[in-house]
Amino acid sequence: EPEVTQTPSHQVTQMGQEVILRCVPISNHLYFYWYRQILGQKVEFLVSFYNNEISEKSEIFDDQFSVERPDGSNFTLKIRSTKLEDSAMYFCASSTNLDRAQETQYFGPGTRLLVL
Amino acid sequence: AQTVTQSQPEMSVQEAETVTLSCTYDTSENNYYLFWYKQPPSRQMILVIRQEAYKQQNATENRFSVNFQKAAKSFSLKISDSQLGDTAMYFCAFINYGGSQGNLIFGKGTKLSVKP
Repeated sequence: EPEVTQTPSHQVTQMGQEVILRCVPISNHLYFYWYRQILGQKVEFLVSFYNNEISEKSEIFDDQFSVERPDGSNFTLKIRSTKLEDSAMYFCASSTNLDRAQETQYFGPGTRLLVL
Repeated sequence: AQTVTQSQPEMSVQEAETVTLSCTYDTSENNYYLFWYKQPPSRQMILVIRQEAYKQQNATENRFSVNFQKAAKSFSLKISDSQLGDTAMYFCAFINYGGSQGNLIFGKGTKLSVKP
């Protein structure tokens, strides 16, 4: 069964450094998402992406964040200058091209980001 | 504000017994979809079951069933004949139908331990 994959599984970085988190969505999916989960907190929506542009973003997704689909398979989340509070598990998800609300989002295993 | 509340941070159940995880939510929308996701210790979130708000009939998937009470905005998950592999974090979530609302809103999760 096809799965969403994410790399790396863990990343440790220094405050102020740039990080890029990578995701390979399921191949026939056209909607892509990033969520994050700070330890002990809820999973929170960051951004959704369709047709090479952002569809929606939350207030968390400020100018320090950007997303990109650099080729036909990868979907990346970049944090330009990491802050301590960016430490979290970051989940990528994807869904098919039907109505987004009713289509199930399939999640990757996550990238644990630790900012020191 | 749209929120999901899972009032049981942790629960445990003996193998082969039945357990019910509670979830309440708040939305002003009338059309939405509800989900239970399971996140085993390996951290990949997997869809367990989904319910369309316009359907009165409760969804079932093998040993998993829901008790959906729309007026009360309640969406509990019942796991029958619990198995050791059911040990995981369980997240309740909903997504509004239509418009630009494409992101899942999650609860904080319930950590379920199935004991032999």
